Amino acid sequence: KQEVTQIPAALSVPEGENLVLNCSFTDSAIYNLQWFRQDPGKGLTSLLLIQSSQREQTSGRLNASLDKSSGRSTLYIAASQPGDSATYLCAVRPSAAGNKLTFGGGTRVLVKP
Amino acid sequence: SAVISQKPSRDICQRGTSLTIQCQVDSQVTMMFWYRQQPGQSLTLIATANQGSEATYESGFVIDKFPISRPNLTFSTLTVSNMSPEDSSIYLCSVATGGTDTQYFGPGTRLTVL
Repeated sequence: KQEVTQIPAALSVPEGENLVLNCSFTDSAIYNLQWFRQDPGKGLTSLLLIQSSQREQTSGRLNASLDKSSGRSTLYIAASQPGDSATYLCAVRPSAAGNKLTFGGGTRVLVKP
Repeated sequence: SAVISQKPSRDICQRGTSLTIQCQVDSQVTMMFWYRQQPGQSLTLIATANQGSEATYESGFVIDKFPISRPNLTFSTLTVSNMSPEDSSIYLCSVATGGTDTQYFGPGTRLTVL
């Protein structure tokens, strides 16, 4: 059974500092991994999706890496801003046919101005 | 991408009543997914809804408690039946679409049961 863990559960940084968010998963047989952002009481916004054959994806200040063999993904957010304050979730999809995502518990980020 | 809307955005309900949540997608999709996020927790898949067939429920979720309809390729409803305070959660509708099978989520329905 796939298990996804995100450490730390919470993180507080001053504005301008780079953020490093970690996601680990126990079963390396994944189809893709997706990072989401969730603001309090809201739905999820997709940030980046990495296919199992890829090592990283970039979008603006965001960069996500994937090391499937070691069961790890890292989301980097450069030059953090107060607007980056949110909960960040990673989720893995087991196969092309299997649509059930397994989510990590999330990392709650606070960027202090 | 996919744009998903949900109604209602939030509701406060009495114990023992039922609430139906609607999910509308701006494009036709084969499968729609319903997730639950309990307070302070991550997301758990309730069921997968295919158009024209019975929904497939995950372990711990049953049709009598969470009946689902899927009348066409852009719309689905989830009913939370005979509610108790333990059903207080955010319920989210989701689809996977595009060449990369990116998963998109609706804004969620925040349910409080008194």
